[in-house]
Amino acid sequence: AQSVTQLDSHVSVSEGTPVLLRCNYSSSYSPSLFWYVQHPNKGLQLLLKYTSAATLVKGINGFEAEFKKSETSFHLTKPSAHMSDAAEYFCVVSDRVLTGGGNKLTFGTGTQLKVEL
Amino acid sequence: GAGVSQTPSNKVTEKGKYVELRCDPISGHTALYWYRQSLGQGPEFLIYFQGTGAADDSGLPNDRFFAVRPEGSVSTLKIQRTERGDSAVYLCASTPGGSRTQYTDTQYFGPGTRLTVL
Repeated sequence: AQSVTQLDSHVSVSEGTPVLLRCNYSSSYSPSLFWYVQHPNKGLQLLLKYTSAATLVKGINGFEAEFKKSETSFHLTKPSAHMSDAAEYFCVVSDRVLTGGGNKLTFGTGTQLKVEL
Repeated sequence: GAGVSQTPSNKVTEKGKYVELRCDPISGHTALYWYRQSLGQGPEFLIYFQGTGAADDSGLPNDRFFAVRPEGSVSTLKIQRTERGDSAVYLCASTPGGSRTQYTDTQYFGPGTRLTVL
């Protein structure tokens, strides 16, 4: 069974400082891993995804994540936080193909990122 | 282009009532998913459609929940005899579908319908 653990429910950083959102996963197979962001009253937006190509994945808005199989981790980072980064971030794993060929996403419980002046 | 749309954005109902939530996927996307996000939690999978058929409904919590997609585009999630525990944000997502590598496909989410059962 696949699962995701987001180690911090809340992270607070100052604008211009680095961001680190931690994620560990459990999977019986070679997983695909995603980070989604959810701004208030907005839909979930994909930041980046890992699908067994390069282990360092670059996403939108300066975010990147590194897949480390030995540590079963997929932490999200950004060198310099901006006020607009304040949102909820979800780490997501997928290793189960549904009946019919679809893709079941399993979400973590989310990390609320606060960016202070 | 237009993204996934969901209506209504908010729905307040009374315990025991019937509700319908609508999802309009991205044009041309054959795969459609429903998820439920309870307060303080990540979304949880409910059901997956490939075309008109419900290919996998293993996430539906009980038989009060049902979903249809009669023409392979718009989908409706139906909840009978609503309970207070059904209060959540219901999310819909779509992907192009039809490929052999759907497990890597990006799912595009709508803004959700916030359901409140009083």
